[in-house]
Amino acid sequence: RKEVEQDPGPFNVPEGATVAFNCTYSNSASQSFFWYRQDCRKEPKLLMSVYSSGNEDGRFTAQLNRASQYISLLIRDSKLSDSATYLCVVNGATSGTYKYIFGTGTRLKVLA
Amino acid sequence: DTEVTQTPKHLVMGMTNKKSLKCEQHMGHRAMYWYKQKAKKPPELMFVYSYEKLSINESVPSRFSPECPNSSLLNLHLHALQPEDSALYLCASSQLQGIGEKLFFGSGTQLSVL
Repeated sequence: RKEVEQDPGPFNVPEGATVAFNCTYSNSASQSFFWYRQDCRKEPKLLMSVYSSGNEDGRFTAQLNRASQYISLLIRDSKLSDSATYLCVVNGATSGTYKYIFGTGTRLKVLA
Repeated sequence: DTEVTQTPKHLVMGMTNKKSLKCEQHMGHRAMYWYKQKAKKPPELMFVYSYEKLSINESVPSRFSPECPNSSLLNLHLHALQPEDSALYLCASSQLQGIGEKLFFGSGTQLSVL
């Protein structure tokens, strides 16, 4: 089982739609969680950190469920510019060192 | 705009060449990283430096040699690479190497090995 798993997609949604991605992680000792956005041939950019209490930034809402070991990202009112790959990133101690573990990414295409 | 600067943006090299990738950040971050990313795959960690000391080496072949001359700079020296080493090489930094630290990436060097 991979440490961080995501549905690779692609998710094809019309403009204005609401879309949700999930990400599961296997290490229950993981301690911090992030969503990154990556456009084709560009670097990953931090979208938001994810907290147990949930957090919202405009049209984006992220949630962490520690009991079930998954995090989610909800995008409301999708825009064409939201088309990208969304990477789930988990940070925690592994063998005494801190590492960022990346999911394989979920590809989103927002269609006009 | 990213505050982690990588040069060059593109590099083509032969298998006998020696080249270096450079990374610079002025955010006062004390942890710096090299990642390798192949098309349609997530970034793979190669090396981590914390306070200018090598903290993690993910069993990377010796043809890749990292160097951290000071807290703002990170280099990756390349020698005798193989065509399968062609990839996007990403530098990143975080304030510290630890819990909750956000990772910031440079725009990467697209490397082609012929």
